[in-house]
Amino acid sequence: DAMVIQNPRYQVTQFGKPVTLSCSQTLNHNVMYWYQQKSSQAPKLLFHYYDKDFNNEADTPDNFQSRRPNTSFCFLDIRSPGLGDAAMYLCATSRGGIYNEQFFGPGTRLTVL
Amino acid sequence: AQKITQTQPGMFVQEKEAVTLDCTYDTSDPSYGLFWYKQPSSGEMIFLIYQGSYDQQNATEGRYSLNFQKARKSANLVISASQLGDSAMYFCAMREGPSNDYKLSFGAGTTVTVRA
Repeated sequence: DAMVIQNPRYQVTQFGKPVTLSCSQTLNHNVMYWYQQKSSQAPKLLFHYYDKDFNNEADTPDNFQSRRPNTSFCFLDIRSPGLGDAAMYLCATSRGGIYNEQFFGPGTRLTVL
Repeated sequence: AQKITQTQPGMFVQEKEAVTLDCTYDTSDPSYGLFWYKQPSSGEMIFLIYQGSYDQQNATEGRYSLNFQKARKSANLVISASQLGDSAMYFCAMREGPSNDYKLSFGAGTTVTVRA
């Protein structure tokens, strides 16, 4: 089945220790998104790629970076995680266009010790 | 200004009954899409149903239907015959025209608890 895969599902890191979260898709969608979601809140968009074009949200901290080496893969790098970065990180994909839904991966739950 | 408003933080519903989740939206763009997602405690966001701004009929998908009232800018989700597995957080979201880079604006969500 075509899908969005996130690895790992659970990630524990130490304060200040860089961490990379991975997302891959078999849907061949041209848009990929990274969201941060804290408990009982709506997902907050960090950035997205339209093909290779990177779009950063204005309020995304510099601590968060992303790479998309090819259509299928997208990575979220947190350079120096703080306690406030503990959250669920959701990757999503979609075809371009207003009327296309976003397909979400299962998420990576990040704990910062 | 909030683009999507969900005024019900939490709701209880009896199994087998119907429940309506409210959603109002704000946009000046004539072209937009409205989406509902379900998020169980496991965390995955599951797409439920979609309504386009030019659609004449209300969307339906199994036990889910969307009550689209364009003039009132509302897009309420109706879940019929609730099941225990429907207990989850539900998000209403909107996607506006190309000038918005195809981003989704989410509401704050409504937690639904289905009682046996």
